[in-house]
Amino acid sequence: EAGVTQFPSHSVIEKGQTVTLRCDPISGHDNLYWYRRVMGKEIKFLLHFVKESKQDESGMPNNRFLAERTGGTYSTLKVQPAELEDSGVYFCASSQDDVWGRLLSGNTIYFGEGSWLTVV
Amino acid sequence: GIQVEQSPPDLILQEGANSTLRCNFSDSVNNLQWFHQNPWGQLINLFYIPSGTKQNGRLSATTVATERYSLLYISSSQTTDSGVYFCAVGKDNDMRFGAGTRLTVKP
Repeated sequence: EAGVTQFPSHSVIEKGQTVTLRCDPISGHDNLYWYRRVMGKEIKFLLHFVKESKQDESGMPNNRFLAERTGGTYSTLKVQPAELEDSGVYFCASSQDDVWGRLLSGNTIYFGEGSWLTVV
Repeated sequence: GIQVEQSPPDLILQEGANSTLRCNFSDSVNNLQWFHQNPWGQLINLFYIPSGTKQNGRLSATTVATERYSLLYISSSQTTDSGVYFCAVGKDNDMRFGAGTRLTVKP
């Protein structure tokens, strides 16, 4: 079974341009999360989807960031316009869930390899 | 890439007991974080600790970077401590997560 995949693995763009990161969760996982680590700082939560709905987007830094998950499958995270401080690595993760909104016993959260973004 | 190994994979405790979770890594790192996964799957940052020792209430963590390991201590465990604890390590932007330790605290 394929794991969580992210694309692109690396991206270099100029300040002011737009970049779209994609995450394909493990098939059947309703929960999808985005995290990021900007250079020299800790990993921080961005947002959480349950299927196509945004469960929690409290970590989104500003309105230059837009996340979508149409159809409840893959997700995209768009940064427009990109700024220098957006450089970092963006992680996606997914997990299964039971109908009560709790993680199924024995299941865990699976992480992608990350998308490294460099804004110059 | 950096290899991360967490132990034990599963841990069951009685309420009030103490525990130590371990994270070993294969290369020098300049970032290490401990997370607790809440029931909704979100990762709650516990410590950002690339080196040294930190304490926050009943939790404390120590990273010995030269020996490539970190320890998370939970004292007087409570049922609300149950969940999965992840260690994430990295160098610059090459970050890797461990497989986690699943902690169950029984009343």
